[in-house]
Amino acid sequence: SQQGEEDPQALSIQEGENATMNCSYKTSINNLQWYRQNSGRGLVHLILIRSNEREKHSGRLRVTLDTSKKSSSLLITASRAADTASYFCATDHSYGNNRLAFGKGNQVVVIP
Amino acid sequence: EPEVTQTPSHQVTQMGQEVILRCVPISNHLYFYWYRQILGQKVEFLVSFYNNEISEKSEIFDDQFSVERPDGSNFTLKIRSTKLEDSAMYFCASGGGGFVGNTIYFGEGSWLTVV
Repeated sequence: SQQGEEDPQALSIQEGENATMNCSYKTSINNLQWYRQNSGRGLVHLILIRSNEREKHSGRLRVTLDTSKKSSSLLITASRAADTASYFCATDHSYGNNRLAFGKGNQVVVIP
Repeated sequence: EPEVTQTPSHQVTQMGQEVILRCVPISNHLYFYWYRQILGQKVEFLVSFYNNEISEKSEIFDDQFSVERPDGSNFTLKIRSTKLEDSAMYFCASGGGGFVGNTIYFGEGSWLTVV
């Protein structure tokens, strides 16, 4: 089955810097959602972007979607130590069921 | 903010035993899901549930798995005869559903360790 696939990155950045991570997928989507997961914890929803949207913002988060390239990016601006987590993209290829296909995740470490 | 709650947070069970994982989805949501995450691996879809029946299931969701919504609030995942490879974090999720697509909210997860 087609799934969101993040670039296999482990980012280590200084507090205050920006962090960018990417996600690609193979077939058309309804929407794409980004989640954060702290070690051993649940999945916290960050942003949902629909297939007819190109960019969305939420606080320090900016998500872009390029359906022609079948890719999305998540930018965290002015990172904080508390942003240290794994970040997953999840694609919804279904119509109505909203079943999500997850990527492998990006580990982000923000050094204070 | 509304949340999905799961119990237990952690369970250790003997191989071959039955396990029931419980979830309380967000109250006005229509779609309910179970996902799992084996340590260090991707989050994998198991099953979706809508209108009191399974709407979709993955190849992982074989005959040893079942789901139930016994009342208006709880949603359960039963594993009939656990295997070592069932050890994983199991996430319950819920969403409003619909063709436009709605945010899917996840619970904190239930760690299942099969020994």
